[in-house]
Amino acid sequence: AQSVTQPDIHITVSEGASLELRCNYSYGATPYLFWYVQSPGQGLQLLLKYFSGDTLVQGIKGFEAEFKRSQSSFNLRKPSVHWSDAAEYFCAVGFTGGGNKLTFGTGTQLKVEL
Amino acid sequence: NAGVMQNPRHLVRRRGQEARLRCSPMKGHSHVYWYRQLPEEGLKFMVYLQKENIIDESGMPKERFSAEFPKEGPSILRIQQVVRGDSAAYFCASSRTAEGGTDTQYFGPGTRLTVL
Repeated sequence: AQSVTQPDIHITVSEGASLELRCNYSYGATPYLFWYVQSPGQGLQLLLKYFSGDTLVQGIKGFEAEFKRSQSSFNLRKPSVHWSDAAEYFCAVGFTGGGNKLTFGTGTQLKVEL
Repeated sequence: NAGVMQNPRHLVRRRGQEARLRCSPMKGHSHVYWYRQLPEEGLKFMVYLQKENIIDESGMPKERFSAEFPKEGPSILRIQQVVRGDSAAYFCASSRTAEGGTDTQYFGPGTRLTVL
């Protein structure tokens, strides 16, 4: 069965610093990969997705992610973090034949210091 | 263009009562998914439905939980005889299609169920 690992439970960065959130997946074929953000008490908002093609994906709010097949990774990056980026970030994976269900990582809580 | 709607946003039930959670997908979306988020955990898939059909219920507990998506009206997730362990946030998502096995799922704000 596929799995998603987000090794960092909590990350704290200073406003204006760069950010990288790690995501590793376990699945044999090419997965479909997503990053969602969840603010406290809110639902999930899609930041970006990778289905195929260019392995560097641009998303909303200045985020980008790079799919690296050799490392089974899909890390999320932002060059300069804003205080409003403080939230919980979830990586998710789906795959062809998987019945459309997404498997989520356990999330990374981002704190931004002013 | 309204997003995925869920109600109620917060629901309090006593042990043994029934909880009924509603989800209206985005306009034009005919695929609905339910996920559960336990405290300090990620989302876990429960069930995937299309209009009048359950496509995948591999994540649903075998007892007390059921889901439907009728021809008319919202999708309903029903939990009978709730227990404290059912306390969680329940999220609904919808997608337009299921092409290629996965299409982008858009999430609602969730229903936070508390069982006393």
